Amino acid sequence: GDSVTQMEGPVTLSEEAFLTINCTYTATGYPSLFWYVQYPGEGLQLLLKATKADDKGSNKGFEATYRKETTSFHLEKGSVQVSDSAVYFCALSDRGSGAGSYQLTFGKGTKLSVIP
Amino acid sequence: DGGITQSPKYLFRKEGQNVTLSCEQNLNHDAMYWYRQDPGQGLRLIYYSQIVNDFQKGDIAEGYSVSREKKESFPLTVTSAQKNPTAFYLCASSTSSGNTIYFGEGSWLTVV
Repeated sequence: GDSVTQMEGPVTLSEEAFLTINCTYTATGYPSLFWYVQYPGEGLQLLLKATKADDKGSNKGFEATYRKETTSFHLEKGSVQVSDSAVYFCALSDRGSGAGSYQLTFGKGTKLSVIP
Repeated sequence: DGGITQSPKYLFRKEGQNVTLSCEQNLNHDAMYWYRQDPGQGLRLIYYSQIVNDFQKGDIAEGYSVSREKKESFPLTVTSAQKNPTAFYLCASSTSSGNTIYFGEGSWLTVV
């Protein structure tokens, strides 16, 4: 079955440091790939996505490139802020058992803490 | 504003009781989902529904039940058969033709 593996946290960085959170996946077809962010006590917010190989998703200074050859979708940001402190989930979307249905497979999440 | 509304935000249940979590969406999405989140476990799919009056089991459906009588509503009942129900529950929805899933704010369930 499909699976997503993310680097284990927690990750602690100083403000303005460079961020990389690694994500690799296994899937039988051609999934779409996502990064979701979860702030304390809240639901998940879509951060960015990429739907095909070599696509780059970007939002709020975060970027990730869909690398089919390495089955990876690493999240990067050049200069993190305290407000970026959250849990980040890598996910892939594949078609479910019925037509028109998509299911997400999540990684376990990586907690990021940014200190001033 | 369009979105997904979950209620209640916090819920306490005594052992042996059933409890129902509400999920309402006004996004006109066909598909709806329930996920469970435990610390360090990521999210796991409980049930999903592609269309009104139809739903499918996810990876951890045992001890849970759902209904989909209206397009905008997908309530989840946590039954007494669920042995470890304390968790954070997330409802989500998507269009039938899209592959991006949007989430509600979640509901915390604690068994006391």
